[in-house]
Amino acid sequence: EAGVVQSPRYKIIEKKQPVAFWCNPISGHNTLYWYRQNLGQGPELLIRYENEEAVDDSQLPKDRFSAERLKGVDSTLKIQPAELGDSAVYLCASSSFGWNTGELFFGEGSRLTVL
Amino acid sequence: EDQVTQSPEALRLQEGESSSLNCSYTVSGLRGLFWYRQDPGKGPEFLFTLYSAGEEKEKERLKATLTKKESFLHITAPKPEDSATYLCAVSIIQGAQKLVFGQGTRLTINP
Repeated sequence: EAGVVQSPRYKIIEKKQPVAFWCNPISGHNTLYWYRQNLGQGPELLIRYENEEAVDDSQLPKDRFSAERLKGVDSTLKIQPAELGDSAVYLCASSSFGWNTGELFFGEGSRLTVL
Repeated sequence: EDQVTQSPEALRLQEGESSSLNCSYTVSGLRGLFWYRQDPGKGPEFLFTLYSAGEEKEKERLKATLTKKESFLHITAPKPEDSATYLCAVSIIQGAQKLVFGQGTRLTINP
């Protein structure tokens, strides 16, 4: 069974440039998450989707970040414009039983460097 | 404020040297505590779920335990392949339910 697929794996951009990350969750998983992980820290939730509905986006900096999950499958996370502090690993995760079980399946992440 | 703290930040052991990692939490409305393993350049990988004080879970050389204020991840006779960052996370009720991660413990097992 294929795992959570993310792209690109690495991205280097100048500040003020836009960037987008893509995530394909495990087939059949209706819950999708975007997390941000700074170096030496644990992941922090940015947004959680149940199917195509964003049910928790309280931690998403909405002035520059946006996300969408069309048709309840793939998802895209966009940053525009990027700032130096956005350098981090952006992790996508999915689950089938809901987050209550804590069993999330993570992708390998997209490492963003903003210069 | 809900908080999850892991200690130590880093731990270096010799192969076969048993030890424990700690995860302490101060949260309201705890619904569960979870342990993950993260290898460099990879996403976290789920290990265990614990729901109530006194509960224990085991997997190979790892055993996770839970009390009302903290959890321990015991590693018995570790091998170099156990080297990784171990993350603790708690699920809480805060308006909307959410999963909060600690900062992790970086474990190195020397052969």
